[in-house]
Amino acid sequence: QQQVKQSPQSLIVQKGGISIINCAYENTAFDYFPWYQQFPGKGPALLIAIRPDVSEKKEGRFTISFNKSAKQFSLHIMDSQPGDSATYFCAATPYQTGSARQLTFGSGTQLTVLP
Amino acid sequence: NAGVMQNPRHLVRRRGQEARLRCSPMKGHSHVYWYRQLPEEGLKFMVYLQKENIIDESGMPKERFSAEFPKEGPSILRIQQVVRGDSAAYFCASSPSIGRANEKLFFGSGTQLSVL
Repeated sequence: QQQVKQSPQSLIVQKGGISIINCAYENTAFDYFPWYQQFPGKGPALLIAIRPDVSEKKEGRFTISFNKSAKQFSLHIMDSQPGDSATYFCAATPYQTGSARQLTFGSGTQLTVLP
Repeated sequence: NAGVMQNPRHLVRRRGQEARLRCSPMKGHSHVYWYRQLPEEGLKFMVYLQKENIIDESGMPKERFSAEFPKEGPSILRIQQVVRGDSAAYFCASSPSIGRANEKLFFGSGTQLSVL
C-alpha cells in the first residue's frame, strides 16, 4: 500500500512534443505529490508539486494533473526540449502528518527528447 | 553558496571492506537525510539526522549500516563488511528546518558505491 507505481520506465519524444509520465498510488493517506527531476550525475531536484485540492497545477511548460478518484497523477511537459532529458520521479506522502523523509518515490522515468 | 557536497563521487570496495560516504549539507542547514537508489528503482529513505542526533533510522538495514552527524564536520554513512547487494547510488539531502511534507530537499550529486 506504500507503493507508488510509475510508468513508462523510459520515454523518447521529439523536440516540441508532449511528454507524459503517469503515477498511481494506493495509500489514501497520501495527499502531497511532488515531482523530482534528476540530470545524469546529479541529485534529484524538486520540479513541481500538487495537493489534491486542485486537479491541475501548471508551472511554465510543466503541468501536474491529478485524478483523486482514480488515485492517479501525471506530469505533462509541453513543447519538450532536449534540455528536459532527465530522469523524472514522482513521489507521495501525507501532507499534514507526513514529512519529507516519508516521501515514497516512484521508480523513475528516463526521458529523452530528440533534437 | 555551495550546495550539498558529497564525496567521494565513486567508491569501489571489495566484499568485506568498509565504505564511508560523506555529506556536507548546505550552509545553514542542520537536517540531513540519506537515501539509497538501486538500479531502476526510486529513492528509498534510510535515515534522518540533526546535529549529533539520529531522529529516524527506520529505513536503515539493522546490521552493518550506521550514520552520524557530528557537531563539527560532515555527516557520515558507514557500511561495514560490504556485500554486492550494497552496490547503489547513495544520496544525501539537507533542509533548513524540520522537514514537513512540503519541505524542499536539496540533494547532493550522490556517491556511486560499487562492491566487487
